[in-house]
Amino acid sequence: EVQLVESGGGLVQPGGSLRLSCAASGFTFSSYEMNWVRQAPGKGLEWVSYINTSGRTIYYADSVKGRFTISRDNAKNSLYLQMNSLRAEDTAVYYCARHQGHTPWMDVWGKGTTVIVSS
Amino acid sequence: EIVLTQSPATLSLSPGERATLSCRASQSVNSYLAWYQQKPGQAPRLLIYDASNRATGIPARFSGSGSGTDFTLTISSLEPEDFAVYYCQQRSNWPAITFGQGTRLEIK
Repeated sequence: EVQLVESGGGLVQPGGSLRLSCAASGFTFSSYEMNWVRQAPGKGLEWVSYINTSGRTIYYADSVKGRFTISRDNAKNSLYLQMNSLRAEDTAVYYCARHQGHTPWMDVWGKGTTVIVSS
Repeated sequence: EIVLTQSPATLSLSPGERATLSCRASQSVNSYLAWYQQKPGQAPRLLIYDASNRATGIPARFSGSGSGTDFTLTISSLEPEDFAVYYCQQRSNWPAITFGQGTRLEIK
């Protein structure tokens, strides 16, 4: 079964850091481009970051640029999001999502991990 | 940034009825538009990509149309499991992809 499982969310104070992980199974992870997408409570979806198959091409939304770092370990079938200088507005459910082939349509999503930034 | 505006915000219909959801882009996105379904507590699910192509496993009652700035998701005959929130997404100016704010489809 094709599956993505996020972990690493939690409660963190403003200015703090968290590292999210996404474990992939059931498909050849190294062949797929990946994304992080978040959803604030009661709000819509916001794309956060993208990484290509090799990890050499990376993009970020302006709202997280300079604070978040995406990475991947193809040997471990894992995707990561290092989040620093967290703000209240980063509070959200964070999903990892796979590209459908080489297009930015996201055809497989994890169930998400919740990040709460609060003092 | 390309802004996607979905309408209506909420659509109240009964099972068996036809649903028509709209997504309008602030500038042309050609056919680079997708639709996702999200149920409470669940991740989004890809329904339609490139404006009119159904994703794997999506029932034929879901169809997409449009190009340029105006797009429509149609559900021909609503099943109980179709009541959810629907989002459109564009990839025209990749990597700056954006989503619409969503349309909530609720049971009347």
